[in-house]
Amino acid sequence: AQSVAQPEDQVNVAEGNPLTVKCTYSVSGNPYLFWYVQYPNRGLQFLLKYITGDNLVKGSYGFEAEFNKSQTSFHLKKPSALVSDSALYFCAVRDIGEYGNKLVFGAGTILRVKS
Amino acid sequence: DAGVTQSPTHLIKTRGQQVTLRCSPKSGHDTVSWYQQALGQGPQFIFQYYEEEERQRGNFPDRFSGHQFPNYSSELNVNALLLGDSALYLCASSWGFDEQYFGPGTRLTVT
Repeated sequence: AQSVAQPEDQVNVAEGNPLTVKCTYSVSGNPYLFWYVQYPNRGLQFLLKYITGDNLVKGSYGFEAEFNKSQTSFHLKKPSALVSDSALYFCAVRDIGEYGNKLVFGAGTILRVKS
Repeated sequence: DAGVTQSPTHLIKTRGQQVTLRCSPKSGHDTVSWYQQALGQGPQFIFQYYEEEERQRGNFPDRFSGHQFPNYSSELNVNALLLGDSALYLCASSWGFDEQYFGPGTRLTVT
């Protein structure tokens, strides 16, 4: 079964510093990986995806993610954090079944950016 | 262009009751998936609808059922509510297997 793990419950960074939110995956076959962000009392917003191609994927709001096959990781990064980036971040992997597909999510990582 | 919409926003029900949640997909999308997000956890897949049929189902009991209409909108029904059904219910739409876009969710509280 496809799965992802987010080893950190919370990440704290200072505004203006680079941030990294970690994700590792376990899949059979090629991975289809996603990052979503959730603000309080809101649904999930799509940030970026990796299907194939370049290992560095650029997404919304200045976020990017680095796919590393040898380390089975897909870490979310941003060069300079903003206070408004504070939210709950989810890594997910697509699990394709015979007739449909689903997203399998990690437990989430709370990002706190302090001014 | 309206994104994914869900109704109602909040709902309070009593144990044993039944509830129906509604979802309208993003324009151009034909596939609807439902997820349950318990407090402090990641979303868990309930089921997915395409062409008005349930295409894939997660590990949820038969008390959870759904429907997709010809206009691609969808309903999630939960019978015999339990306290453990209290959660945020998220609807996501997509064009086939493309990335899923999520609605704001329905917060269900079972007392």
